[in-house]
Amino acid sequence: EIVMTQSPATLSVSPGERATLSCRASQSIRSNLVWYQQKPGQAPRLLIYGASTRASGIPARFSGSGSGTEFTLTIGSLQSEDFAVYYCQQYNNWPFTFGPGTKVDIK
Amino acid sequence: EVQFVESGGGLVQPGGSLRLSCGASGFTFSNYWMSWVRQPPGKGLEWVANIKQDGTEKYYVDSVKGRFTISRDNAKNLVYLQMNSLRAEDTAVYYCARDGGEGVQRIIFYWGQGTLVTVSS
Repeated sequence: EIVMTQSPATLSVSPGERATLSCRASQSIRSNLVWYQQKPGQAPRLLIYGASTRASGIPARFSGSGSGTEFTLTIGSLQSEDFAVYYCQQYNNWPFTFGPGTKVDIK
Repeated sequence: EVQFVESGGGLVQPGGSLRLSCGASGFTFSNYWMSWVRQPPGKGLEWVANIKQDGTEKYYVDSVKGRFTISRDNAKNLVYLQMNSLRAEDTAVYYCARDGGEGVQRIIFYWGQGTLVTVSS
């Protein structure tokens, strides 16, 4: 099973600042990575797939990069609605596995 | 609009069984892989099982193999998760989910609202 790790566990950011979230896979997953955003009491929302392709309706301030084992989600200028938990997930090998999440909260 | 209505969650004793159902609308159900993903209270996500469009392929995470069964009824636009021999660690919100279709079949694009399963005596 591929183990996904995320850092940091919590990221405190002021509105308008840039946020950089990291995700690492225990072995190469090529570009088979997605990022989800989850707010309390809600289902996850797809942000990025294929490591760098924004899903439909996702603002351009969200960008993804990386391949192999190291990936990054960047939120260019945090808006109030962006404070949430972010999960990365690999779909290269079954079982498809999620990282433990990074909580982005208000500084 | 893609929509899911999940049902069947609730409180069950350890060793008991539950069947979750998920009704889908707003798309051609038989064209998509369907999945169940769970999330224990306050914790992260775990992809439990998925099923191919025609039901001929099914995959399970190791922790539920032999206890859970995913199935679908394309005539009724329903996907099920039969859960047997339930354990306390199966307590979670269970989400029904759909992939993105051809070319993006292993990616969940749409999620249901979730149904809570609590395993406790």
